Amino acid sequence: DTGVSQDPRHKITKRGQNVTFRCDPISEHNRLYWYRQTLGQGPEFLTYFQNEAQLEKSRLLSDRFSAERPKGSFSTLEIQRTEQGDSAMYLCASSSTSSSTDTQYFGPGTRLTVL
Amino acid sequence: AQSVAQPEDQVNVAEGNPLTVKCTYSVSGNPYLFWYVQYPNRGLQFLLKYITGDNLVKGSYGFEAEFNKSQTSFHLKKPSALVSDSALYFCAVRDRLSGSARQLTFGSGTQLTVLP
Repeated sequence: DTGVSQDPRHKITKRGQNVTFRCDPISEHNRLYWYRQTLGQGPEFLTYFQNEAQLEKSRLLSDRFSAERPKGSFSTLEIQRTEQGDSAMYLCASSSTSSSTDTQYFGPGTRLTVL
Repeated sequence: AQSVAQPEDQVNVAEGNPLTVKCTYSVSGNPYLFWYVQYPNRGLQFLLKYITGDNLVKGSYGFEAEFNKSQTSFHLKKPSALVSDSALYFCAVRDRLSGSARQLTFGSGTQLTVLP
């Protein structure tokens, strides 16, 4: 296992710009999750995929946010018209349906700074 | 709804002493419970989980956690702390009866500092 990878690790953008992050899960993990973590807080759930289907979305996921997992492998998270409040660490995690507890393994995160 | 409370923002302990990081939870049904550790500018690393059975769960790096259903607690422990254990620790819960809801709910984290 090479672990969950995320790209880029850091992103600085100006308010109003669009950004896209990528997550590559552990191979053969069919579940993929996105979380957001702000300073001093624990991660908060954004959305979850099983294979290519997006099964759950949090209220935190406003209309400016969209996530895809077109082939059931890697996933992208796009934020349109970024706002300063979007500044956070975006974490991706993956798990396998063969695990009864759905233990989630996290990537290193993408730190977004909106100026 | 499910929730997690980590009542201590900061825990300091001397190297070689035992450590405890506290966690209490609330779920509608029975819980799956997890501990993760986060080093600066890194993602979360899985430490251990409680599924069912033995209330004392052993995990990575000598950590263990004790599940107490009556107190709805899942405290993280280690008999002898190392300076390298200094990090941010998160407790998380998922309700087994949550159906398709797979997301974890995390506490706000506890910063552990082990003093040499």
